[in-house]
Amino acid sequence: NAGVTQTPKFQVLKTGQSMTLQCAQDMNHEYMSWYRQDPGMGLRLIHYSVGAGITDQGEVPNGYNVSRSTTEDFPLRLLSAAPSQTSVYFCASSYTHGGAYNEQFFGPGTRLTVL
Amino acid sequence: GQQVMQIPQYQHVQEGEDFTTYCNSSTTLSNIQWYKQRPGGHPVFLIQLVKSGEVKKQKRLTFQFGEAKKNSSLHITATQTTDVGTYFCAGFMEYGNKLVFGAGTILRVKS
Repeated sequence: NAGVTQTPKFQVLKTGQSMTLQCAQDMNHEYMSWYRQDPGMGLRLIHYSVGAGITDQGEVPNGYNVSRSTTEDFPLRLLSAAPSQTSVYFCASSYTHGGAYNEQFFGPGTRLTVL
Repeated sequence: GQQVMQIPQYQHVQEGEDFTTYCNSSTTLSNIQWYKQRPGGHPVFLIQLVKSGEVKKQKRLTFQFGEAKKNSSLHITATQTTDVGTYFCAGFMEYGNKLVFGAGTILRVKS
């Protein structure tokens, strides 16, 4: 199993550009999520999904869109990049058991810089 | 909004000293998870606590979940240089689907 994969590893954008961060998992996990990590602020939840076709907002959803057309993929779209979106982005997935969520498996992260 | 507070933000200890990080939620948690992140890496799951008052041990690490399911702690006995990293707590709010992370505690160990 590859686990959780993210592409690209690094990206530089200009203000106003759009792009999609890719995330895929091969563990058949129902729950997937996107976090951003900024110094001193931990990981903040952007969007999450409890299954294919279902997405919901996290703590900091503005400026980001997601979709979940398959169990495996959960792309994150930046609509119009801003310098405030410079961050490290992590995708994570987990399985559910008896209605409860379990350990999150994180991808290696995407380091995004917006100029 | 729902928050998970974690203290201290930073701890620098001598090798062999103990270390503790504390986590406090404004609302009741259904469970709490702990993660470790090495510099330049991604968070790696350590443990999950579910029951009120639960205590779990992993070698030199002791994890506790409070009776009210609003607070938790991670204690490391006799730190080693391999313990260096950032430790995060994260909790699912009761009846919720959002996993909310604390800001993390950065641990540095002097040898």
